[in-house]
Amino acid sequence: SQQGEEDPQALSIQEGENATMNCSYKTSINNLQWYRQNSGRGLVHLILIRSNEREKHSGRLRVTLDTSKKSSSLLITASRAADTASYFCATRTMDSSYKLIFGSGTRLLVRP
Amino acid sequence: NAGVTQTPKFQVLKTGQSMTLQCAQDMNHNSMYWYRQDPGMGLRLIYYSASEGTTDKGEVPNGYNVSRLNKREFSLRLESAAPSQTSVYFCASSEGQGAGQPQHFGDGTRLSIL
Repeated sequence: SQQGEEDPQALSIQEGENATMNCSYKTSINNLQWYRQNSGRGLVHLILIRSNEREKHSGRLRVTLDTSKKSSSLLITASRAADTASYFCATRTMDSSYKLIFGSGTRLLVRP
Repeated sequence: NAGVTQTPKFQVLKTGQSMTLQCAQDMNHNSMYWYRQDPGMGLRLIYYSASEGTTDKGEVPNGYNVSRLNKREFSLRLESAAPSQTSVYFCASSEGQGAGQPQHFGDGTRLSIL
């Protein structure tokens, strides 16, 4: 069964706008990671937020984590056409030392 | 710097045929993983290798076998391919299995079973 579920499944915005994607999960986590996948390519790690952190920034990316609601959000500011990709959250659960559990992803289209 | 290299990139098989997917990483990582990605779903872990000489089942291991040939290489074998194994297969690696270790992915093998 999937741990993380992203919302929305698809998002279309204009270049320059902000994009927000949400991820919900079911069980307690050690950390939550966000990955990007360009069409026909493998996943690329973007950012990791630990369970004791609430917010983290990396360039134009801002991730928040609310462990009481078991949810996270990824905000991409000032989006560019090159940000067009699928975005996946992945959780590292507390009861497994090895497993990353991926959600089904959000497909982001940034229109020029 | 190649990172994680998967071969082949595309393959079409007939039901019942066997095939080995190859994966190699040049980052001196200890842990390696095989996932499958199906439309509308996230990645599901097939097998992983925490370190050279060890392999363990993931979420969906049935119909697959793996070999950790050395620290660099981790192969996935389909002994008797079935249409349900049509998918995109990704290999990944990480420095170790510490909770904070990100995974690095290859570009995938697109496999169709007729």
